[in-house]
Amino acid sequence: QVQLVESGGGVVQPGGSLRLSCAASGFTFSSYGMHWVRQAPGKGLEWVAFIRYDGSNKYYADSVKGRFTISRDNSKNTLYLQMNSLRAEDTAVYYCAKRGPGTLYYFDYWGQGTLVTVSS
Amino acid sequence: QSALTQPASVSGSPGQSITISCTGTSSDVGGYNYVSWYQQHPGKAPKLMIYDVSKRPSGVSNRFSGSKSGNTASLTISGLQAEDEADYYCCSYAGSSTWVFGGGTKLTVL
Repeated sequence: QVQLVESGGGVVQPGGSLRLSCAASGFTFSSYGMHWVRQAPGKGLEWVAFIRYDGSNKYYADSVKGRFTISRDNSKNTLYLQMNSLRAEDTAVYYCAKRGPGTLYYFDYWGQGTLVTVSS
Repeated sequence: QSALTQPASVSGSPGQSITISCTGTSSDVGGYNYVSWYQQHPGKAPKLMIYDVSKRPSGVSNRFSGSKSGNTASLTISGLQAEDEADYYCCSYAGSSTWVFGGGTKLTVL
């Protein structure tokens, strides 16, 4: 069965950096695009970033463009999110999500999330 | 990348039907047949309920259905059950490999 396990969250000061990881299993990781989606405490979901199956193209929400970098290591079945210049408004649970098959424009499996808190 | 508009809350009694709307623009909901819906229980990860406007993944009850007209998509839940009480989010493809979510709707089963 598909499993996505995020790690790397924690408390970081404003302006700091953090790298999140998402370990994937139960499917052919190298065949699917992957997303990061976040949810601020008590708020709704926000799409953050997408990477194609081979890492050739990456796309970002305006709110994180230039500060966050999505990447992947298909040899390790792992997705990453490098977060720099963190702000208080980046505080959220970060989920990795697998791109759905077929038309590909949806998220069919999600991890349990990892909490990032930006605070001094 | 403005969020799609959903009602903050809806409610219904067991056995009834409810509909949650999701309004966007011609650049997202109206421009593509790629609206999806997610159910989220407190403290849990979102779960896919509907994709491509009206398709249901394997394992999701046929009490859940989706539709779209113009810039507004809708999720209908028939035969409400206690376990349907959750937050529901719509999501639309917005072009150029970007996606936008709705603000979420809290469903209360009375």
